[in-house]
Amino acid sequence: KAGVTQTPRYLIKTRGQQVTLSCSPISGHRSVSWYQQTPGQGLQFLFEYFSETQRNKGNFPGRFSGRQFSNSRSEMNVSTLELGDSALYLCASSLAGNLQQGALNTEAFFGQGTRLTVV
Amino acid sequence: AQKVTQAQTEISVVEKEDVTLDCVYETRDTTYYLFWYKQPPSGELVFLIRRNSFDEQNEISGRYSWNFQKSTSSFNFTITASQVVDSAVYFCALSENSGGGADGLTFGKGTHLIIQP
Repeated sequence: KAGVTQTPRYLIKTRGQQVTLSCSPISGHRSVSWYQQTPGQGLQFLFEYFSETQRNKGNFPGRFSGRQFSNSRSEMNVSTLELGDSALYLCASSLAGNLQQGALNTEAFFGQGTRLTVV
Repeated sequence: AQKVTQAQTEISVVEKEDVTLDCVYETRDTTYYLFWYKQPPSGELVFLIRRNSFDEQNEISGRYSWNFQKSTSSFNFTITASQVVDSAVYFCALSENSGGGADGLTFGKGTHLIIQP
C-alpha cells in the first residue's frame, strides 16, 4: 500500500512568486491536513480538507490556500512568497469519517514533506 | 487556547539507557486527544500513539511506554533500553477535535533525542 506522496520534494522560489505543492493521500483516505514546519515556529496547522471542502483552518494569512480534488488529492498554494515562508510543508492523510455522524478518525500518516526555500 | 510544552530541547544518552521524554499540555476541553510522533532525518512524521482524554491507562508497546496523568496534564514517553535507531526528534501533540484525526493538531517544539553507541 503506497504511503502519502508529496511532490516536489524540494523547491526554490524567489520572493513575490507563487508556488503550488501537491499531496496524494493513502488510497481510501478522504482527509488531508497540511502543516508548516520552521525552526522558529515549529509545526503549525494550516488547513484540513475533507471531501473537497475545507473543514478546518489554522491561523495563516490568505496567501495560503488549498483545495482538494474528487480523488482526495490535495494541493496547497502560497502566493506572493516571502522569505519567512521557507519551511518544510507536511501533509497528512487519514480516513476521517463524518464527525457529525460520530464516525471515528484513524491515525494519520504523514508524507516526507516538501522543502520550500524562498530566496 | 491549547498548548503543548516539551521542555527538553535535546537529550543525549548512551545506547541501552532508559530515557523519558516529557510532555505537558494545556486545554480547556474535557474531550481531547494526545499524540506522540517521531521525526527521523528523512522528515516524515511517524505516528507512535494516540490517547483520548478518557483513557488514562498506561500503554506499553515493546520498548516504548507512555504515562498519561490528567492530574498533572502530562503525557510522558519512555524508551527502555534505547537503541541508536531511536535517534530522532519526537513531538507531542494535542487535538481538541472530536474525531481525533490529524487536523488541527497543536504540536510541542519537539525533543531531539540522540542515542550514542
